[in-house]
Amino acid sequence: DAGITQSPRHKVTETGTPVTLRCHQTENHRYMYWYRQDPGHGLRLIHYSYGVKDTDKGEVSDGYSVSRSKTEDFLLTLESATSSQTSVYFCAISEGAPSNQPQHFGDGTRLSIL
Amino acid sequence: DAKTTQPNSMESNEEEPVHLPCNHSTISGTDYIHWYRQLPSQGPEYVIHGLTSNVNNRMASLAIAEDRKSSTLILHRATLRDAAVYYCIPNTGGFKTIFGAGTRLFVKA
Repeated sequence: DAGITQSPRHKVTETGTPVTLRCHQTENHRYMYWYRQDPGHGLRLIHYSYGVKDTDKGEVSDGYSVSRSKTEDFLLTLESATSSQTSVYFCAISEGAPSNQPQHFGDGTRLSIL
Repeated sequence: DAKTTQPNSMESNEEEPVHLPCNHSTISGTDYIHWYRQLPSQGPEYVIHGLTSNVNNRMASLAIAEDRKSSTLILHRATLRDAAVYYCIPNTGGFKTIFGAGTRLFVKA
């Protein structure tokens, strides 16, 4: 199994509070991704990174920011959490670009915003 | 983006082969076809991918039609652990990996 650790695994917080989710990899892969999964929507890409300090927006980036200061860590921040951001968040990594390289996913973080 | 069509659900008996179809008639010539699966309460898991010719690995086989407008994921002997949602994803390049609804596979003992 790919060495991907997401933390925390579960979190409950209140609307308006900041939240940071962490993805840590031990594979030294260049590419890292954050997805969210909601019933009826499948997985949707939030942000991705193609190297240290190189990030870009995905399909549903509003309300989220990311940072990648070193290869192994990719942080997802909700500056002011809203109830619509209640979801399961998955981190993924890939050695090369996803067009012809597989992505490997973490076990997810279940985030509830009350 | 290439659009995919997969059956909503399929059922199989344990230890029998399973053929999971996917239509991707708008696929371009350079799009790889990826398959992932997601077991309950877990993240998606890579299964296999290919471009033109058939591919095999320890998990499954991927049969790609000659015109590349469809593909079939083959599980040679289904086990209870193979019960999952299977996603067929023609990757159009860039970073936009689109997970649709997939096919939910039920495996009967």
